[in-house]
Amino acid sequence: GAVVSQHPSWVICKSGTSVKIECRSLDFQATTMFWYRQFPKQSLMLMATSNEGSKATYEQGVEKDKFLINHASLTLSTLTVTSAHPEDSSFYICSASSSSGESWNEQFFGPGTRLTVL
Amino acid sequence: GQQVMQIPQYQHVQEGEDFTTYCNSSTTLSNIQWYKQRPGGHPVFLIQLVKSGEVKKQKRLTFQFGEAKKNSSLHITATQTTDVGTYFCVKNQKTSYDKVIFGPGTSLSVIP
Repeated sequence: GAVVSQHPSWVICKSGTSVKIECRSLDFQATTMFWYRQFPKQSLMLMATSNEGSKATYEQGVEKDKFLINHASLTLSTLTVTSAHPEDSSFYICSASSSSGESWNEQFFGPGTRLTVL
Repeated sequence: GQQVMQIPQYQHVQEGEDFTTYCNSSTTLSNIQWYKQRPGGHPVFLIQLVKSGEVKKQKRLTFQFGEAKKNSSLHITATQTTDVGTYFCVKNQKTSYDKVIFGPGTSLSVIP
């Protein structure tokens, strides 16, 4: 399968600062990238769907001004957590996929980024 | 929103025993995907089922999609320690309000 990388793999920041997470699809043209949060021992919760060259579609309850997503190319999407607070501490995972009719093909996941906000 | 349910939440089996996880949706699905996440790892795609009543096999894994396309199952025959992880069924449908929904997952432990 395709290889997806995320950087950084972990980050610790102070409350009020912004953190940018990069998601790169190394060998796959990702027309769509997904961003998820995962809490310990829980499932993945979709935050937003990002299509290359267009604005991201955010899920209900996810603040688009707080979680800025950019998908400027077929191989790179970024998630910026603005003015981070301790409640934003979580594991953030991205995935790369391509469109297939009414749904998407398999998702290739990055290794995730552990964000800790002090 | 549209929900995807999975049971059981946890399953502990002796190595060599069989294991099954069940996935149910409140609405008809266009397809269902299954992923496995090892402890400390990220989800890895296993399979996608599209047709009503479809059955697909991957070595010791058997995947089924219900006739009504509202439920699915994953059965592992003769579990091995390498099967340890959490298995998620995933709904993905562009036209629905909730586009991608991961089920809560079934965490499998295999006792050697």
